[in-house]
Amino acid sequence: EVQLVESGGGVVRPGGSLRLSCEASGFTFDDYGMSWVRQAPGKGLEWVSGISWNGGTTDYADSVKGRFTISRDNAKNSLYLQMNSLRAEDTAFYHCARDDFDSTGFYRWFDPWGQGTLVSVSS
Amino acid sequence: DIQMTQSPSSLSASVGDRVTITCRASQTISSYLNWYQQKPGKAPKLLIYAASSLQSGVPSRFSGSGSGTDFTLTISGLQPEDFATYYCQQNYRMVRTFGQGTKVEFK
Repeated sequence: EVQLVESGGGVVRPGGSLRLSCEASGFTFDDYGMSWVRQAPGKGLEWVSGISWNGGTTDYADSVKGRFTISRDNAKNSLYLQMNSLRAEDTAFYHCARDDFDSTGFYRWFDPWGQGTLVSVSS
Repeated sequence: DIQMTQSPSSLSASVGDRVTITCRASQTISSYLNWYQQKPGKAPKLLIYAASSLQSGVPSRFSGSGSGTDFTLTISGLQPEDFATYYCQQNYRMVRTFGQGTKVEFK
């Protein structure tokens, strides 16, 4: 069974840091890019960051650029998100998602998703 | 960034109804459009990819259409398990934006 399990969420003060982890199982992890998508409580989905299969390419939403860093360890089947200079508006459930694709590689989508880990930024 | 706008933001429907949700992109995105379903407390689930391709295991009452800037998700014969929030998402650009969501509620 393909599975993604996030961990590392918690309560942190504004300006603080947190590192999220996502452990993958049931598929060949280094065949796929991965992404983090967040959802503030009661709000919609926001793509945060993505990383290619080998970590060679990374991208970020403008809202987190310069503060968050995505990385991966293919030997450990794990994805990470280092979050620095956290703000109240970063409060959300953070989901990791596999970046799946069709045979051309041009069409991409998120499947599956992990259940998410809650990050709460509050003084 | 490409902006995705869904309409309506919410709708009320009954079991058996045909439901249509639209999604408009702020610029052309060809067919690089996906649809997801999310139920309360659960992770989103992929329904449709590449605008009209049905994900394996998803009931055939779900269908997607459109290209360019205008897209549609249709549920033909709403079932009780379909009451949820639906999101469109573009992957034309690496910064992959979502629509704001459409909540389908019981009438």
